[in-house]
Amino acid sequence: GNSVTQMEGPVTLSEEAFLTINCTYTATGYPSLFWYVQYPGEGLQLLLKATKADDKGSNKGFEATYRKETTSFHLEKGSVQVSDSAVYFCAQVDTGGFKTIFGAGTRLFVKA
Amino acid sequence: NAGVTQTPKFQVLKTGQSMTLQCAQDMNHNSMYWYRQDPGMGLRLIYYSASEGTTDKGEVPNGYNVSRLNKREFSLRLESAAPSQTSVYFCASSVIGNAEAFFGQGTRLTVV
Repeated sequence: GNSVTQMEGPVTLSEEAFLTINCTYTATGYPSLFWYVQYPGEGLQLLLKATKADDKGSNKGFEATYRKETTSFHLEKGSVQVSDSAVYFCAQVDTGGFKTIFGAGTRLFVKA
Repeated sequence: NAGVTQTPKFQVLKTGQSMTLQCAQDMNHNSMYWYRQDPGMGLRLIYYSASEGTTDKGEVPNGYNVSRLNKREFSLRLESAAPSQTSVYFCASSVIGNAEAFFGQGTRLTVV
């Protein structure tokens, strides 16, 4: 079945460091791909999305490119801030589907 | 805008007790979802409602029932709570099934 695998955390970085969180997926079709972020004590909120191959989603300095050939959607940010400390979830939804499949989440700590 | 509102925010139950988690959205979304979040396991879909009047099982439906009361409201019922149902529960909604999901703040449930 469809699945999402993302790198285990926690990831600890110093402020202004470069961030990469790896995400790969398995799917029978061509899913839409998402990154959600969860701040402490809150629900998930959409960070960025891409709906077809080679699309790049971007928001708040974060970017991810839909790579069909490697079935990946890695999250990157050039310079992280303390306020980026959160849990990040990679997710997919099949076209026409109703089930968003989430990865296990990666916790990011950013130190000042 | 309120978005997705869940009640209660916290609840402690004794084994065997029943309770209903309430969820309402004010975005005129067609689809609504209930997830549970457990450490290291990401979010798992319990039940979903693709549109008003329909409900379907997700990945982990056992021990739960749902009601799509109207387009705005989607409740989750635990008929006989078990310690394995200790978790954080999130309600979410989307315009259609494969669009981004909007999440409530969550309900932290402890079953003792």
